[in-house]
Amino acid sequence: DIQMTQSPSSLSASVGDRVTITCRASQSVNIYLNWYQQKPGEAPKLLIYAASSLQNGVPSRFSGSGSGTDFSLTINSLQRDDFATYFCQQTNSFPITFGQGTRLDIK
Amino acid sequence: QVHLVQSGAEVKKPGASVKVSCKASGYIFKNFGMQWVRQAPGQRPEWMGWIKGGNGDTKYAQNFQGRITLTRDTSANTAYMDLSSLRSEDTAVYYCTRTLGEFSRASAYWGQGTLVTVSS
Repeated sequence: DIQMTQSPSSLSASVGDRVTITCRASQSVNIYLNWYQQKPGEAPKLLIYAASSLQNGVPSRFSGSGSGTDFSLTINSLQRDDFATYFCQQTNSFPITFGQGTRLDIK
Repeated sequence: QVHLVQSGAEVKKPGASVKVSCKASGYIFKNFGMQWVRQAPGQRPEWMGWIKGGNGDTKYAQNFQGRITLTRDTSANTAYMDLSSLRSEDTAVYYCTRTLGEFSRASAYWGQGTLVTVSS
């Protein structure tokens, strides 16, 4: 199975900050890396697919980059609504696997 | 507008089985695959399996092989996840998710989740 490791596991930031979360795969996943946002009591929400494509309706302050084994999610100008947990997911090969999550808190 | 509506919460005893349904609307059901993902409290999501849109072929995570069955009723636009031999570690929220597209396995749409509690 492909192991997905995110860093950091938690992060404190302020409204208006720019933050970057990284995700590393234990082997190449090409560009088949997705990012999700999850708030307490809700289902995850797809933000970025295929490493850098913005899902419909997601604000442009979210962006993704990377290929192979190293990926990042950047959020520019943090808004209050962005404080949540973020997961990466590889869909290059079965079984599909998720990172352990990065919790983004208000500083 | 795509909607996935799942069946309600279940409480099961160890060794029992559970069947969760997922009724889809707002798109052509057979054109998209459905994946099932579960999430235990405070844990990362865990992919369980996938049923293809076109021919209904299935793919299961090794962790669930022999215990999981994914099916669908195309006349009712409904997908089902059956999990047997339940144990306490299966306590989680179970989600059905629709793939982004025919060739994408990203989960673009999610049901509201079904809490399955396994307890004696």
